[in-house]
Amino acid sequence: QSVLTQPPSVSGAPGQRVTISCTGSSSNIGADYQVHWYQHLPGTAPKLLIQGDNTRPSGVPDRFSASKSGTSASLAIAGLRPEDEADYFCQSFDSSLSGFWVFGGGTKLTVL
Amino acid sequence: QVQLQESGPGRVRPSQTLSLTCTVSGDSVSSGAYYWSWISQHPVRGLEWIGHIFHSGSAYYNPSLRGRVSISVDTSKNQFYLKLTSVTAADTAVYYCARARGCSGGSCKFDPWGQGTRVTVSS
Repeated sequence: QSVLTQPPSVSGAPGQRVTISCTGSSSNIGADYQVHWYQHLPGTAPKLLIQGDNTRPSGVPDRFSASKSGTSASLAIAGLRPEDEADYFCQSFDSSLSGFWVFGGGTKLTVL
Repeated sequence: QVQLQESGPGRVRPSQTLSLTCTVSGDSVSSGAYYWSWISQHPVRGLEWIGHIFHSGSAYYNPSLRGRVSISVDTSKNQFYLKLTSVTAADTAVYYCARARGCSGGSCKFDPWGQGTRVTVSS
């Protein structure tokens, strides 16, 4: 039911690279609105991970990167570590109706 | 370090009003650089932007909630508030407050967030 669609779960072994997709439409990602990514560890506040399509805030390792093309965006995590196990969600702006901010449903990353 | 903390009742009866407070530390809600936001995370439909308010009191709401939602700010207490009327079980969620920045052209990003407070709508 989320405006942006993410896979419910992904997994990978330590050291591997995983990607998480975020699929939108012509009124949000496809309209070239910026996509931001967040990391959410259970019981903690969600944390801004990637802003403005592919800019890491200070302190975020360069193992995290993102890209955008057409109506989709993706987050890549290289060199998986156990501490990367968390929920990840994308966010953008949607120009339909009066305009509002929209999120993906979230993807649970399991580090095997 | 900017921190936000939500507070309010954990249970609200159906048809009643959900009221939450977000207390900000390390920054001022009077800052003209940011919007102050509420976001909910529902068991099934996931994350939903509820709305946000500027220090001047100008507020913007999710069209799906317009008519039931109100966000206000008290600069003297460095707090902002959420009121959601006529709640139903569908409003059961974890409610987060967050600071929104860089909102020109619709590019708001939410940073930081509070830890969230769980609200259950039940009799």
